[in-house]
Amino acid sequence: ELKVEQNPLFLSMQEGKNYTIYCNYSTTSDRLYWYRQDPGKSLESLFVLLSNGAVKQEGRLMASLDTKARLSTLHITAAVHDLSATYFCAVESNFGNEKLTFGTGTRLTIIP
Amino acid sequence: DVKVTQSSRYLVKRTGEKVFLECVQDMDHENMFWYRQDPGLGLRLIYFSYDVKMKEKGDIPEGYSVSREKKERFSLILESASTNQTSMYLCASSSGVILWGYTFGSGTRLTVV
Repeated sequence: ELKVEQNPLFLSMQEGKNYTIYCNYSTTSDRLYWYRQDPGKSLESLFVLLSNGAVKQEGRLMASLDTKARLSTLHITAAVHDLSATYFCAVESNFGNEKLTFGTGTRLTIIP
Repeated sequence: DVKVTQSSRYLVKRTGEKVFLECVQDMDHENMFWYRQDPGLGLRLIYFSYDVKMKEKGDIPEGYSVSREKKERFSLILESASTNQTSMYLCASSSGVILWGYTFGSGTRLTVV
């Protein structure tokens, strides 16, 4: 059974600082997805990582994938308040059944 | 703009009622999914469907059923609602190859009293 773990679960950080959210998964996969959820809203796709070593960047967010370590990271650079949200990673198993297993989410709060 | 539309944003139902949650997508996607979201548990897959009239159980199907009579519509049914089914329900769809991940609906917050 595929398990996806994120840490930390909660993260409070000051504006201007850097931090990293980690996503570990338990079985072989080379497809990993990051989503953002604002309070009371649905999930918005941020990044799609489809191979070992994949790196994607958008603004102050950068995501990477290491399939050998079964690890993805979401790095936040010089955080600003509007990055406050809950971030989820999701993994598709290599069975190719197009079913995503989600992590528990990281609730990020940026303090001015 | 592509969309996944869930018919209700908030619902309050009584224990024992039969509840229908509707989801419609306009992207001609083959795959549709129902998840529930609970604090500290993330998103858990209830049911999914790869095609019309096809359905497969996810990780937590007990107490739920689904219907997919048309490609664009995927309904989640709570046969006899219970208080432990109070949750946020999210519908999602994807094309045959998930190059872009899922597109999610806005969610239905269901309260069973």
